Amino acid sequence: DVKVTQSSRYLVKRTGEKVFLECVQDMDHENMFWYRQDPGLGLRLIYFSYDVKMKEKGDIPEGYSVSREKKERFSLILESASTNQTSMYLCASGTSTDTQYFGPGTRLTVL
Amino acid sequence: QKEVEQNSGPLSVPEGAIASLNCTYSDRGSQSFFWYRQYSGKSPELIMFIYSNGDKEDGRFTAQLNKASQYVSLLIRDSQPSDSATYLCAPEDSGGYQKVTFGTGTKLQVIP
Repeated sequence: DVKVTQSSRYLVKRTGEKVFLECVQDMDHENMFWYRQDPGLGLRLIYFSYDVKMKEKGDIPEGYSVSREKKERFSLILESASTNQTSMYLCASGTSTDTQYFGPGTRLTVL
Repeated sequence: QKEVEQNSGPLSVPEGAIASLNCTYSDRGSQSFFWYRQYSGKSPELIMFIYSNGDKEDGRFTAQLNKASQYVSLLIRDSQPSDSATYLCAPEDSGGYQKVTFGTGTKLQVIP
């Protein structure tokens, strides 16, 4: 079974803090994705990566950065957290010939 | 901006009935189409994919695709209370890299 894990299920941070969300997959997938999901807005792509050290902006990259130093690990970084970044963050991984497999999600609250 | 439209619902159907979920998309270059199910508080999971015009059946689920009309649908036969969830339509972007654009989802309620 494909397994995608995320570092935390719930996270509470303060405005201005630097936040790291980590995602690890165990299936040697080349593609990895970070989404945020908000009521009424659905899943929106923040960044994705198709190879180690490669990254591409998604639809809403502002305020976020990513890092992929190893194939199995994809990190999302909020340089200076703001209240409008309170959301559910979902990581996914997959190959070009397969679907995306999602992690359990991290519910981030920024106070 | 690619658009994917779904009726947000809730769509209520009685147990045993057919549930019909619809989706339209704007990217004419989309070749593959995915349907995900998301239970409340859980992450999405794939239930169907389709890439050819016509119907594709898998158990109680049938996906239907009409590329000329830019329309994809999901039928759930013999609906069960356990099918109550939000269903997300996700056409694959023509730009590659396995990117998809998700619709906002249709919430399905199956009434026992």
